[in-house]
Amino acid sequence: AQSVTQPDIHITVSEGASLELRCNYSYGATPYLFWYVQSPGQGLQLLLKYFSGDTLVQGIKGFEAEFKRSQSSFNLRKPSVHWSDAAEYFCAVGADSSASKIIFGSGTRLSIRP
Amino acid sequence: DVKVTQSSRYLVKRTGEKVFLECVQDMDHENMFWYRQDPGLGLRLIYFSYDVKMKEKGDIPEGYSVSREKKERFSLILESASTNQTSMYLCASRHGGDPGNTIYFGEGSWLTVV
Repeated sequence: AQSVTQPDIHITVSEGASLELRCNYSYGATPYLFWYVQSPGQGLQLLLKYFSGDTLVQGIKGFEAEFKRSQSSFNLRKPSVHWSDAAEYFCAVGADSSASKIIFGSGTRLSIRP
Repeated sequence: DVKVTQSSRYLVKRTGEKVFLECVQDMDHENMFWYRQDPGLGLRLIYFSYDVKMKEKGDIPEGYSVSREKKERFSLILESASTNQTSMYLCASRHGGDPGNTIYFGEGSWLTVV
């Protein structure tokens, strides 16, 4: 069965600093991997996704993520954060064995220091 | 743009009441989901519907039922609300059954059971 772990519950970075949010997954084959962002009081919005091809994926709002099979990781990065990036970020993993089985991580809350 | 609309953003209900949470999507998506979001637990799937009148239990279906009589509408029903069902409920939809397709979320319904 697939699973996903986001080891950081809460991260604070200074505006303009770089960001990396960690995500580790467990799945036997190549998974479908997603990063979603949730602004306060809102639903989730897709930032980017990966399921094959180039392991460095570009998303919206200047985010990117890199799939590393050897480390079972799909970390999210941004070179320079903006105050508007303060939100909760969810990593998710899907399996082609089941259309409904998209497993979400517990989320990482990002705060931005002025 | 895909729009997933949850008609009730904030509800307060009494223990034992029957509660209906309504969700409508405007993109003719086959798949619809109901998730529950709790701090530190991420999103947990309550029910999944892959087409009209078709449903599949998710990870936490106990205490909930669903109805999908029309393609655009997916309702979550709490037959007898309890305080441990106080939570944020997220509806989502997706085109087809490919787990690589984007899931689109509504803004969420905050339910408090007193």
